[in-house]
Amino acid sequence: DIQMIQSPSSLSASVGDTVTITCRASQSISSFLNWYQQKPGKAPKVLIYAASSLQSGVPSRFSGSGSGTDYNITITNLQPEDSATYYCQQTLTTPLFGPGTKVEIK
Amino acid sequence: EVELVESGGGLVQPGGSLRLSCAASGFDFGNYWIHWVRQAPGKGLVWLARINSDGSNLDYVDHVRGRFTISRDNAQKTVYLHIDSLRAEDTALYYCARDQYAMSSLDLWGRGTQVTVSS
Repeated sequence: DIQMIQSPSSLSASVGDTVTITCRASQSISSFLNWYQQKPGKAPKVLIYAASSLQSGVPSRFSGSGSGTDYNITITNLQPEDSATYYCQQTLTTPLFGPGTKVEIK
Repeated sequence: EVELVESGGGLVQPGGSLRLSCAASGFDFGNYWIHWVRQAPGKGLVWLARINSDGSNLDYVDHVRGRFTISRDNAQKTVYLHIDSLRAEDTALYYCARDQYAMSSLDLWGRGTQVTVSS
């Protein structure tokens, strides 16, 4: 079974910073990788699908990259509303979410 | 309005059963795969099951296979998740979500229905 690791598990950054969250799969997932944002008490929201495609309506400060086993989501010009937990998800095989990364704004 | 609405959760005793429903509106339901995802209090997202557009293809995470059954009624625009032999560790908020392009990302989520397993 494919395993997913996310790093870091949490981070704290300032408004305007650029932050990168990494997701690593235990085997190649051929860009079948999505990124979600979840705020407390809310359902998740897809930000990036197929590793690098920006979901309609999502601000362009979010971007995704990667291939094979290693993928990143980068948030440039971090905003207060970006405070949330971010999850990666592989869908090459039976879908699996990563453990999540909590992003806090200083 | 394009939405998914879950229902059927509640307080259940260990060993009991429950059927969750996910009612769709505002889009062509019969063209989409639907998934169930749960989240225990303070924990991460756990993918549970999915069903393809006509109900002929089902998939489950290993640790629920045999206890969870996903099904759909396209005429009623509803997907179901039947859960047997409920355990305390099944306590969670259960979401249904729409698969954007089949085996792709989940682009539409409901608000979830709470399942609590306790005696």
